[in-house]
Amino acid sequence: QLQLQESGPGLVKPSETLSLTCTVSGGSISSNSHFWGWIRQPPGQGLEWIANIYYGGTTYYNPSLKSRVTISVDTSKNQFSLKLSSVTAADTAVYYCARRIYSGHVDYWGQGTLVTVSS
Amino acid sequence: DIQMTQSPSSLSASVGDRVTITCRASQGISNYLAWFQQRPGKAPKSLIYGASSLQSGVPSKFSGSGSGTDFTLTISSLQPEDFTTYYCQQYYSYPITFGQGTRLEIK
Repeated sequence: QLQLQESGPGLVKPSETLSLTCTVSGGSISSNSHFWGWIRQPPGQGLEWIANIYYGGTTYYNPSLKSRVTISVDTSKNQFSLKLSSVTAADTAVYYCARRIYSGHVDYWGQGTLVTVSS
Repeated sequence: DIQMTQSPSSLSASVGDRVTITCRASQGISNYLAWFQQRPGKAPKSLIYGASSLQSGVPSKFSGSGSGTDFTLTISSLQPEDFTTYYCQQYYSYPITFGQGTRLEIK
């Protein structure tokens, strides 16, 4: 059974960089049938797609965040990562990592991790 | 960006009822539409993909329909665990976008 697990600091200071890692188990991140990505949800609000990456390195970013976001993949560790720079309180959210079928839908989600931006 | 609009934003129903939630896309997305269920404090769970295909393991009480710009999620024989929030999502083009959510409440 595929599992995705987010990890990273739960508290980040304003203007700093948020860094999260998603570890994939029960399957290979080097699949030619899937994208890997990040989705976030501010407290009490809806879902916002952030970015996707293919194991070969092809990336897609939400234009609203593109200038601050970097997604990367480490196939040797079966992990992919998110960096979001210059964070503000508006970036406080539960961050989910997820698997997306190539040209298809999201079928697996991590449990999510709350990141709070505060001094 | 493709805007996804769900209606209603909230809905009251009784156990045993059948309900329908609507999702409208701002432009045609063929059948590249998914539905998710999210319980409080939990990650979303995939219910429907391709507008009408049931995700493996999801009970047949959930059904989806539509194509182009108008889509529906129907839940039959509501049980207490079904009263939570539902989201639609288009994956026709980047950026992937979600509806604002529909909260299903017990009457």
